[in-house]
Amino acid sequence: DTAVSQTPKYLVTQMGNDKSIKCEQNLGHDTMYWYKQDSKKFLKIMFSYNNKELIINETVPNRFSPKSPDKAHLNLHINSLELGDSAVYFCASSLAGTDTQYFGPGTRLTVL
Amino acid sequence: GQQLNQSPQSMFIQEGEDVSMNCTSSSIFNTWLWYKQDPGEGPVLLIALYKAGELTSNGRLTAQFGITRKDSFLNISASIPSDVGIYFCAGPDDRGSTLGRLYFGRGTQLTVWP
Repeated sequence: DTAVSQTPKYLVTQMGNDKSIKCEQNLGHDTMYWYKQDSKKFLKIMFSYNNKELIINETVPNRFSPKSPDKAHLNLHINSLELGDSAVYFCASSLAGTDTQYFGPGTRLTVL
Repeated sequence: GQQLNQSPQSMFIQEGEDVSMNCTSSSIFNTWLWYKQDPGEGPVLLIALYKAGELTSNGRLTAQFGITRKDSFLNISASIPSDVGIYFCAGPDDRGSTLGRLYFGRGTQLTVWP
């Protein structure tokens, strides 16, 4: 009965590699988000999708590309990983027009 | 982007004590949200506030939406060890509410000693 799930939970990789993080929600929400939490625990939005359409695209390097195959899934692909990409990435979802967002458990990305 | 100033940054208290934390914004908010993040987990919604002056409780937690719409408070009464975690305030500003953009405070790290 998981609401928002992410895989993998941990991701350790070398600089320059390409990796993906997957997110799925079974809440029936139509809007999904990606957030980045830095080492100081600051949460910042990266992207949001509503019904597979990109709504918010903060100033994120274009090495980050979100993909939404349907409104229950929002994946994050990262090309040419850099040391500064190390962080915890959270997926979240909500119903359009509402402000309450529900978060997944996070993916801790470590770039060596 | 919006600045949410959350204080205190950290708190160390004894079990049984009451806790207060607050959040102020540089502009008006239509909604205030309070989340708790346990270690290794994602933020979990505790309380949502939708109206200026609103006071809402969730068990031992009570939150208030400030009259000016630029601040909010969270109180925890009779703290217990499982209250340990990071508490975040969040909200969309007047322009962002239709876009789903939530701004977060920097969190209050709560430690409860038994």
